Amino acid sequence: ETGVTQTPRHLVMGMTNKKSLKCEQHLGHNAMYWYKQSAKKPLELMFVYSLEERVENNSVPSRFSPECPNSSHLFLHLHTLQPEDSALYLCASSRTRGQSEQFFGPGTRLTVL
Amino acid sequence: ILNVEQSPQSLHVQEGDSTNFTCSFPSSNFYALHWYRWETAKSPEALFVMTLNGDEKKKGRISATLNTKEGYSYLYIKGSQPEDSATYLCAFTGNAGGTSYGKLTFGQGTILTVHP
Repeated sequence: ETGVTQTPRHLVMGMTNKKSLKCEQHLGHNAMYWYKQSAKKPLELMFVYSLEERVENNSVPSRFSPECPNSSHLFLHLHTLQPEDSALYLCASSRTRGQSEQFFGPGTRLTVL
Repeated sequence: ILNVEQSPQSLHVQEGDSTNFTCSFPSSNFYALHWYRWETAKSPEALFVMTLNGDEKKKGRISATLNTKEGYSYLYIKGSQPEDSATYLCAFTGNAGGTSYGKLTFGQGTILTVHP
């Protein structure tokens, strides 16, 4: 138990669906992150939020839309995804952006049909 | 594009063996080097965050060294146990003012399997 929870753990969606991934951290951290892991690729950073402000968008397509309503919650809204978006999506948080270690959630395994 | 390379890609050892693997990263604009352990069906777990050249960190049977001038870090596991089987990830972050500040760029990982 890392103190970072993610729901759902598994999601299957069609290309025309809209769904959201949720992340919650109970650690009092100020920075939150979305990562994507595709098969046989390194973990890729998607978005960084620091003090609820998006500070990084790593050239992610607009069909992925993050939202950080407060420092404990982070969402990833998904719409009109492609089959190649099927991957493991991990959320993480850290005390500050940069040097401090990141605490990861268990991930959401997404399959786009 | 930042390049963080890990070697070997996978490693099989016998219980009791000591082992080590390598992470290489850009030596310019260095800020921190992270090591994570990722067991199957679990979350990645931080092992070390290293910031200073020459740093050596230790947690139980696992230790790591850092050379920021030449851009590499070694992770050592002494007396490997089956429960050490996992993917070991390193990640680089650059300093403030650079494009990689606050962002972790991960290597592909080294998959370690320890056979009883």
